[in-house]
Amino acid sequence: TQLLEQSPQFLSIQEGENLTVYCNSSSVFSSLQWYRQEPGEGPVLLVTVVTGGEVKKLKRLTFQFGDARKDSSLHITAAQTGDTGLYLCAGKLAGSARQLTFGSGTQLTVLP
Amino acid sequence: AAGVIQSPRHLIKEKRETATLKCYPIPRHDTVYWYQQGPGQDPQFLISFYEKMQSDKGSIPDRFSAQQFSDYHSELNMSSLELGDSALYFCASSLGLVNTGELFFGEGSRLTVL
Repeated sequence: TQLLEQSPQFLSIQEGENLTVYCNSSSVFSSLQWYRQEPGEGPVLLVTVVTGGEVKKLKRLTFQFGDARKDSSLHITAAQTGDTGLYLCAGKLAGSARQLTFGSGTQLTVLP
Repeated sequence: AAGVIQSPRHLIKEKRETATLKCYPIPRHDTVYWYQQGPGQDPQFLISFYEKMQSDKGSIPDRFSAQQFSDYHSELNMSSLELGDSALYFCASSLGLVNTGELFFGEGSRLTVL
């Protein structure tokens, strides 16, 4: 059973469109991170959210942490072909010493 | 800025052979984590070390072992390799056992078992 469920699993859109990727869980997380991974490369950290309801913006990317700290979303405005990649949410369970748990991933393809 | 260095980048082994992967963390980082990522799957946590001591253990098979050395580099030793061990193995490092979970990943070592 996947602790962090991401949706959609695959997303193919045209350049210039907007999109939202969701990361959901029934568990509470002390923090959530979003990573972007290129084929054959390691995940690269995009952002960390730690406070329920927190919103962070990184240029065209907007990240939100749910009020209950069980879910997060990533919104991309005016997608570019360079945004293509695997987007992974990852989190550290609240009150747990367990290490980072990754979501199932969303493979985004932005077409020219 | 220096990143996490992993070697080798690619490794091909036969079944039942052994393999060793190396990880050199970002300078001054004292914590390393090993993850395994199968084709089309998300990274699965294997094991981590803080100040040369094992800090957490995930889904690491008994055939695998790892350690962190005095210079903070880490090695993942894999024995009796099976076809299912073919995967990308990532090492990540951090400064201390970060509560926010921010990890810096290497580029990975791709292991292919034939």
